[in-house]
Amino acid sequence: QSLLTQPPSVSGAPGQRVIISCTGSSSNVGAGSDVHWYQQLPGAAPKLLLYGTNSDRPSGVPGRFSGSRSGTSASLAITGLQAEDEADYYCQSYDNSLSAWLFGGGTKLTVL
Amino acid sequence: EVQLLESGGGLVQPGGSLRLSCAASGFAFGIYGMTWVRQAPGKGLEWVSAIGGNGVATYYADSVKGRLTISRDNSKNTLYLQMNGLRADDTAVYYCARLPPALPLHANYFDPWGQGTLVTVSS
Repeated sequence: QSLLTQPPSVSGAPGQRVIISCTGSSSNVGAGSDVHWYQQLPGAAPKLLLYGTNSDRPSGVPGRFSGSRSGTSASLAITGLQAEDEADYYCQSYDNSLSAWLFGGGTKLTVL
Repeated sequence: EVQLLESGGGLVQPGGSLRLSCAASGFAFGIYGMTWVRQAPGKGLEWVSAIGGNGVATYYADSVKGRLTISRDNSKNTLYLQMNGLRADDTAVYYCARLPPALPLHANYFDPWGQGTLVTVSS
C-alpha cells in the first residue's frame, strides 16, 4: 500500500479534461516536499512530466499538462485529452519520516 | 544526448546474487546523484536506492536495506547495484535514473530514466 494514494484508473473522451489526484500525509506532501509526476506509456520507461514546486514542464511536454497542490494533496490535470495520452501516471515525493522517496500507486488513464 | 543504459539483469535463484550496471553518457556524471527504481511485473514504481555524486551519501528503501548496495565509479561513468540474498519479491524491471544537481532531498526528482533491465528471482 503506497503512502501516496492515487485512483487506480481514470478515463475521458478526446478533448475532455481529466484530473488525477495524489494524496499524501503530513510527513511528505503536507511537510512541503515537492510532488513530481511521471508518464509511463505502455512498454516504455517512465518519463518526467512535471517537476518542482511550480509544477514545471520539461522541454517537450505540452502545456495541456499542469499540476497543483493543496495541503497534503496534489493533482495532475490534463486538458484537451488525446489518444496518445493513454498511459500510466505516477506522482512522486519525499517522506521525511521514512527518509525515502515515494511513488503513488499509479493511475491508468484510458482515452475513450 | 543524455543516455542511461542498464545491464546485468537475468534469472537468479532465491538467495543468489546479481550486480546491475548503469552506463551513463552525455553529461558530467560525477556531479549528479543517481537512483535505482524498480517495477514488479504489472505493478507500480518502487524507489530502491540513491547515491550522491561523490558516492559518499547513500539511501535505501527499508525493503532492500542490508541486501542491496548502491555504488558508483565516476572514472567509468557507471552506477552499480549489488544485489545479495535475492528473494522472489525482488523480481522486477530495474531502472536507473539521474537526480538533479544540488537540490535538497525533499525536492529531488528523477530524469532521465534508462530503459531498464529485468531481474527474475525464481528456482
